[in-house]
Amino acid sequence: DAKTTQPTSMDCAEGRAANLPCNHSTISGNEYVYWYRQIHSQGPQYIIHGLKNNETNEMASLIITEDRKSSTLILPHATLRDTAVYYCIVRGYGNKLVFGAGTILRVKS
Amino acid sequence: GAVVSQHPSWVICKSGTSVKIECRSLDFQATTMFWYRQFPKQSLMLMATSNEGSKATYEQGVEKDKFLINHASLTLSTLTVTSAHPEDSSFYICSARGLAGVGVETQYFGPGTRLLVL
Repeated sequence: DAKTTQPTSMDCAEGRAANLPCNHSTISGNEYVYWYRQIHSQGPQYIIHGLKNNETNEMASLIITEDRKSSTLILPHATLRDTAVYYCIVRGYGNKLVFGAGTILRVKS
Repeated sequence: GAVVSQHPSWVICKSGTSVKIECRSLDFQATTMFWYRQFPKQSLMLMATSNEGSKATYEQGVEKDKFLINHASLTLSTLTVTSAHPEDSSFYICSARGLAGVGVETQYFGPGTRLLVL
């Protein structure tokens, strides 16, 4: 599976949109982009995934560039409870999820 | 939907004893289950992958005789840490993969089990 690169940490003001970037320049055509987050001392929580189209659900939006080499997770109105480590993972169908270091998102009031 | 439970949520045991951790997918059938370990301030590290009714596949460096995995059904997997030692103290997280309404097989994670070996 392709590797991903994420910033180590980001800050966001409460109520504003949080935009978390992810680079996956070696992604292949059948690999999905998954986003998970892990709040302190809990198991990871599934957020969203996509193949090539932009996706939206009740938690977030996922914007994938046309060349699929990068993506952005958008939390439209960040709250203090969104403070967590966010993981961007590229996975081929049937393959296991391998976690990198992720991005520490701190939402501040 | 897509709930994965783990039991117990935390356990303290003496060195040399064995500890069993249960993982259940509550509202979907898991074709595959995974066990991860996480040390403080580190990311999750995959330990092993198991499919129902077959032997688990362990990642490099993980001792299969120390970390026994049983995947008895499509909704239950257990991890037994045998002869636990203080260095086995960690946060153990299970994950279940299945179709749970998002269109493609996705992994869902349990809340984790914190193990402290004295």
